[in-house]
Amino acid sequence: QQQVKQSPQSLIVQKGGISIINCAYENTAFDYFPWYQQFPGKGPALLIAIRPDVSEKKEGRFTISFNKSAKQFSLHIMDSQPGDSATYFCAASDVGTASKLTFGTGTRLQVTL
Amino acid sequence: KAGVTQTPRYLIKTRGQQVTLSCSPISGHRSVSWYQQTPGQGLQFLFEYFSETQRNKGNFPGRFSGRQFSNSRSEMNVSTLELGDSALYLCASSEGLAGNEQFFGPGTRLTVL
Repeated sequence: QQQVKQSPQSLIVQKGGISIINCAYENTAFDYFPWYQQFPGKGPALLIAIRPDVSEKKEGRFTISFNKSAKQFSLHIMDSQPGDSATYFCAASDVGTASKLTFGTGTRLQVTL
Repeated sequence: KAGVTQTPRYLIKTRGQQVTLSCSPISGHRSVSWYQQTPGQGLQFLFEYFSETQRNKGNFPGRFSGRQFSNSRSEMNVSTLELGDSALYLCASSEGLAGNEQFFGPGTRLTVL
């Protein structure tokens, strides 16, 4: 059972544009929602994370929007750059299972010149 | 602080053999989690260790096992390897509290022939 659904599977954005990746979850016990960035041959790197007590969190060009009632959250990358080209994963965990992250299927982002 | 280190980075084994992978967490981190990453199944949680005790376990067969030492270093073992075990095995460390940030290592690429 896939508990975190991620879309789109792939995304092409022009340099300077906004990249938007969406995730939806089913388990209402989830209370921690991180986003990871992964380059080929590397492990995932934590980008930004949010908890359900806030609806938005911004760090630099990266913003998470969170909709608790809809059980959805999204990553916005403003002013996308070629260096942002990577695979992005959303994830979720709940306090009961601590560090056990349930990941989305990933979005391969390509930022073109 | 040094990041999470994993050894070896690459490994080739044949079916039926067993393998041991090693992970050294970030200094001060007491929780180590293991994930399997494959193109077909994505990132899947294997297990988590905290203070030498398994705290969570994913849905993997008993051929997959792990342990953690008093210095927080962790090993995972896969016995009777199958072709389907070919994957990138990722280790992540965190301070151990629920919902704490997890930091991933570069992974061990296991190929089973």
